Amino acid sequence: DAKTTQPTSMDCAEGRAANLPCNHSTISGNEYVYWYRQIHSQGPQYIIHGLKNNETNEMASLIITEDRKSSTLILPHATLRDTAVYYCIVSRSGSARQLTFGSGTQLTVLP
Amino acid sequence: SAVISQKPSRDICQRGTSLTIQCQVDSQVTMMFWYRQQPGQSLTLIATANQGSEATYESGFVIDKFPISRPNLTFSTLTVSNMSPEDSSIYLCSVLRQGDKNIQYFGAGTRLSVL
Repeated sequence: DAKTTQPTSMDCAEGRAANLPCNHSTISGNEYVYWYRQIHSQGPQYIIHGLKNNETNEMASLIITEDRKSSTLILPHATLRDTAVYYCIVSRSGSARQLTFGSGTQLTVLP
Repeated sequence: SAVISQKPSRDICQRGTSLTIQCQVDSQVTMMFWYRQQPGQSLTLIATANQGSEATYESGFVIDKFPISRPNLTFSTLTVSNMSPEDSSIYLCSVLRQGDKNIQYFGAGTRLSVL
């Protein structure tokens, strides 16, 4: 699986959009980008994933650049409960594979 | 999504003893995984629990230390054997269901402290 690079930490004001970047310059054509988050003392929670098109669900939006070498997770209206470590993971779908977690980004939403 | 029950949620154990962690899922799943999260660190995969056969261990993890069982499609156990303080971590179970596009669902974890 391709390696990912994320900032160690970010702050965001409550009610504002949180934009979390991820670099995955060695991504292969059949690899998806997955985002998970881990709120303190809980197990990781799936947020969203995509291949090359932008995706949106009830939690977030995922913007993938045209060359697929980077992506951005957008939380449109961050709340205090969104404070967590956010993991960007690249993995092939269609076959059962374990996830390789990097260090992630600690997002702190400030009141 | 899948509902995952992991027991115990936390425990404090003495050096040299063993602890078995249980993972129960509310529906049949294709794959079950066990991860370790050491204090302040990210998650590291220990092994893939295979139904009806021996687990597949990642580099650095061995069956004698972390024996795993998976007797059916909804249940698995991880045992942490002959514990030392270095085994103090959060242990997490995750599951993958057929057709779920490789989306894994995680249990709440077992927080283990070894004295």
